[in-house]
Amino acid sequence: DVKVTQSSRYLVKRTGEKVFLECVQDMDHENMFWYRQDPGLGLRLIYFSYDVKMKEKGDIPEGYSVSREKKERFSLILESASTNQTSMYLCASSGASRGRETQYFGPGTRLLVL
Amino acid sequence: QKEVEQNSGPLSVPEGAIASLNCTYSDRGSQSFFWYRQYSGKSPELIMFIYSNGDKEDGRFTAQLNKASQYVSLLIRDSQPSDSATYLCAVGGTSYDKVIFGPGTSLSVIP
Repeated sequence: DVKVTQSSRYLVKRTGEKVFLECVQDMDHENMFWYRQDPGLGLRLIYFSYDVKMKEKGDIPEGYSVSREKKERFSLILESASTNQTSMYLCASSGASRGRETQYFGPGTRLLVL
Repeated sequence: QKEVEQNSGPLSVPEGAIASLNCTYSDRGSQSFFWYRQYSGKSPELIMFIYSNGDKEDGRFTAQLNKASQYVSLLIRDSQPSDSATYLCAVGGTSYDKVIFGPGTSLSVIP
């Protein structure tokens, strides 16, 4: 079974704090993704990575950065958390070839910024 | 801007009926098509994927793809209350990397 884990299920942070969300997958997938999901707005891609140390901006990268030092681990960083970053954050991974591009999601981190 | 649209919900069907979920996409070069189910408070999970025109059946679920019309659908036969969830359509391009997710359709199966 594919397993994608996220470091926290729930987080409460203060405005201005630096926040780290970590994601680990055990399927040797090349691709990893960070999304946020908000009511009425669906899944929005923040960043994705197709290889170690490689990253590409998604649709809403502002206010976020990412790090991928190892193939199995992809971190999302909120440099200075703001209240409009309160959301559900979902990590996903997938292979990079035809037939392996199904994305598998972690359980999600619900972040509240006060 | 590549787009994926889904029929607006919420959709309500009685138990035992067929639920029909629809999705259209704008990129003619799209190669892969996915349906995910998401229960409230949970993360999306894959139900089916389809690559070729026509129908693909898996148990009570049937995915239908028509590339000429840029249309993909999901039929759920003999709907059960446990099928009540939000269904996300996702469409992939040629790079096998990113997919574009639709906004989702909320399905409620009434006992």
